[in-house]
Amino acid sequence: EAGVTQFPSHSVIEKGQTVTLRCDPISGHDNLYWYRRVMGKEIKFLLHFVKESKQDESGMPNNRFLAERTGGTYSTLKVQPAELEDSGVYFCASSHGTGGGYTFGSGTRLTVV
Amino acid sequence: GENVEQHPSTLSVQEGDSAVIKCTYSDSASNYFPWYKQELGKRPQLIIDIRSNVGEKKDQRIAVTLNKTAKHFSLHITETQPEDSAVYFCAASKKGSTLGRLYFGRGTQLTVWP
Repeated sequence: EAGVTQFPSHSVIEKGQTVTLRCDPISGHDNLYWYRRVMGKEIKFLLHFVKESKQDESGMPNNRFLAERTGGTYSTLKVQPAELEDSGVYFCASSHGTGGGYTFGSGTRLTVV
Repeated sequence: GENVEQHPSTLSVQEGDSAVIKCTYSDSASNYFPWYKQELGKRPQLIIDIRSNVGEKKDQRIAVTLNKTAKHFSLHITETQPEDSAVYFCAASKKGSTLGRLYFGRGTQLTVWP
């Protein structure tokens, strides 16, 4: 079974630019989550999709962040325009929804300079 | 909302010793408590979890205990090995038919010296 795949693994962009992160969940997993870890701090929830619907987006920091999951398969997270404080590691995770926990991807390390 | 506190932030032990990481949570409605291990440059991986109807769970050298009254839970690693070195995260959630958001602690960097 393929795991959760994220790309790019690293991205360095200038303040004000746009970046799009992609996540491919485990096939058949209806639940997809985005999290972010800023250096030295906790892993913080951003949002949760169930299939193509946003179940909970209460963790999205502001309207510069836009997440989509068209067709209920892969998801993208766009940051536009990026600010310095957006730097961190963005994790995607998926779950089947019944029992068990999440499976995380390896993350995208975003650096805004 | 839920608030999870994790201590210590760093922990160094000699190979063969035990390591204990402690977490507290604030929301008495939380009922699912997973622990994740993240090795350098790798993805967080679930190593053990416990639900609120259980007080203790063990898997080989790893055990987790939960005290619902005090709202704290702990990870115990016995006979530590250098490959146990990693960042460990505790988390709490309200798990119903679907697992929703997890509230994470800040992580504990465990270093096991040979």
